[in-house]
Amino acid sequence: GESVGLHLPTLSVQEGDNSIINCAYSNSASDYFIWYKQESGKGPQFIIDIRSNMDKRQGQRVTVLLNKTVKHLSLQIAATQPGDSAVYFCAENQAGTALIFGKGTTLSVSS
Amino acid sequence: SQTIHQWPATLVQPVGSPLSLECTVEGTSNPNLYWYRQAAGRGLQLLFYSVGIGQISSEVPQNLSASRPQDRQFILSSKKLLLSDSGFYLCAWSLGRNQPQHFGDGTRLSIL
Repeated sequence: GESVGLHLPTLSVQEGDNSIINCAYSNSASDYFIWYKQESGKGPQFIIDIRSNMDKRQGQRVTVLLNKTVKHLSLQIAATQPGDSAVYFCAENQAGTALIFGKGTTLSVSS
Repeated sequence: SQTIHQWPATLVQPVGSPLSLECTVEGTSNPNLYWYRQAAGRGLQLLFYSVGIGQISSEVPQNLSASRPQDRQFILSSKKLLLSDSGFYLCAWSLGRNQPQHFGDGTRLSIL
């Protein structure tokens, strides 16, 4: 079964707002986490990743936070734009070569 | 830069027919390669992965098989498709464990 989940299946925000997408994981042995964005009919697109020896990592307009104490991962998108509308997946690498994916959060951005 | 190609983009096949989906990667050597299936509105389920030519690991028992005849070529096959094989099939590559996986644009497979 899936060990990575998301708190909300959908999130609606206004253009310009900051978005926060949350993810909970269950395996404390996981040492690598990654966020993907998937637009309709396309493959997932890598956004940002973080290793378990870090608790924060920033990219362009995005920040990933990792709280190992409560096994929680979040993706923050600053100044959300209509082009950010998509399904967002978190994934973890527990022990092997493969990633375990959550079910996804659909982000809708209205103008 | 690295690129990944999957084809065809869409495929409609009758039950019981064979399947061959191809994935190729350019711009890198000895990548890890992966096949995933995504059901509508769901996350991705890993089907197969490969760390080298001829090395295939299967994650779930199923009606499908995978092969890696060349370093940057990964093929997903079936001898006889089932209705339950319908879905969105995605190929991905990475440089190794704890490295981002990069996905192709997928094949939408419909079984009639």
